[in-house]
Amino acid sequence: GAVVSQHPSRVICKSGTSVKIECRSLDFQATTMFWYRQFPKQSLMLMATSNEGSKATYEQGVEKDKFLINHASLTLSTLTVTSAHPEDSSFYICSAPGASSYNEQFFGPGTRLTVL
Amino acid sequence: RKEVEQDPGPFNVPEGATVAFNCTYSNSASQSFFWYRQDCRKEPKLLMSVYSSGNEDGRFTAQLNRASQYISLLIRDSKLSDSATYLCVVNIGGGSQGNLIFGKGTKLSVKP
Repeated sequence: GAVVSQHPSRVICKSGTSVKIECRSLDFQATTMFWYRQFPKQSLMLMATSNEGSKATYEQGVEKDKFLINHASLTLSTLTVTSAHPEDSSFYICSAPGASSYNEQFFGPGTRLTVL
Repeated sequence: RKEVEQDPGPFNVPEGATVAFNCTYSNSASQSFFWYRQDCRKEPKLLMSVYSSGNEDGRFTAQLNRASQYISLLIRDSKLSDSATYLCVVNIGGGSQGNLIFGKGTKLSVKP
């Protein structure tokens, strides 16, 4: 299957700082990537859909000015958590859709963000 | 009503046991269905797609009942390595930009 990487895998930062998370498709091109967030013992929740060459589409309740998404190329999408607060601490996972008719998505390994 | 509902478990079973997970979804227009597996602090990984006619992959059998909006996963001859959280996932979009809706997952713990 396709491979998606994420960097960093873990980050600890102070409140008020900004954190950038990268998501790369390693062996395929992805015009669309998805960003999810997962709190402990909760399901993955879609935050936004990242579209190459155009603006991201955010889910209801997700602040676009706080979670900046840039899909600069067909293999890279970045999520920047601006002015992070402790409540932003979570597991952030990106994914890219596969080519199968059942729309399988390939997930990155995730980024665990801890805001102190 | 939640979009995708699962029994959270945990299911604690001995090695060799057969265990079944159930899932219901609320959107009758849902197009495709999956079971993902998620290990602790890891990303979800596709276990199997779920087809209308039901499908089997080794010790795993998935079934779909569109009329009841119900999906199941059966694991036979459980192994220690099957211990994980199993996520029921529904695609409500249908197209390549489809939106995956995840259940909270059912935790399985297989004991020696």
